[in-house]
Amino acid sequence: EAGVAQSPRYKIIEKRQSVAFWCNPISGHATLYWYQQILGQGPKLLIQFQNNGVVDDSQLPKDRFSAERLKGVDSTLKIQPAKLEDSAVYLCASSSYRGGGSNQPQHFGDGTRLSIL
Amino acid sequence: GENVEQHPSTLSVQEGDSAVIKCTYSDSASNYFPWYKQELGKGPQLIIDIRSNVGEKKDQRIAVTLNKTAKHFSLHITETQPEDSAVYFCAASPDGGATNKLIFGTGTLLAVQP
Repeated sequence: EAGVAQSPRYKIIEKRQSVAFWCNPISGHATLYWYQQILGQGPKLLIQFQNNGVVDDSQLPKDRFSAERLKGVDSTLKIQPAKLEDSAVYLCASSSYRGGGSNQPQHFGDGTRLSIL
Repeated sequence: GENVEQHPSTLSVQEGDSAVIKCTYSDSASNYFPWYKQELGKGPQLIIDIRSNVGEKKDQRIAVTLNKTAKHFSLHITETQPEDSAVYFCAASPDGGATNKLIFGTGTLLAVQP
């Protein structure tokens, strides 16, 4: 079974520029998550989709971050404009969880390492 | 909201020794507790998980214990090997399965000395 695919692996931009990350979840997984992992910290949830609907975006800085999951499969996360504090690894995860019941494991991709100059 | 604390932040052991990492959580509704291993440049990899209706779970050299009363859970690695060296994260799912979200601890850097 193929894992969660993310691209690009690395991105370097200057502050105030825009950047986009792409994620392809494990086939058949209904739930997709974007996390931000700052160096030396645990992953922090930014947004959770179930199919193509948003379940939780309470921690997403909506003035600069946006995400979409058209057709309920692939997803993109965008930052515009980027700030220095956005330097982090952006992780995508997916799960077979379909709502209202028993927890299901989340499986992570290898992330995109973003550096803001 | 849920808060997960993890200790120690770094742990160094000799090859063959055991390693124990401890986590506490604040939300009594939390019911699912996975552990992830993260190697340099990689994403977190699920190594074991436990649900709130179970007190202990083992998988070869890895075991996890859960004390719901004290809101503690721990990862035990026996017969450590150099390839166990990585950062380990605990996590808790705070809403009883309603959304499957996870709150992560701050991580433990485990170094296994050959």
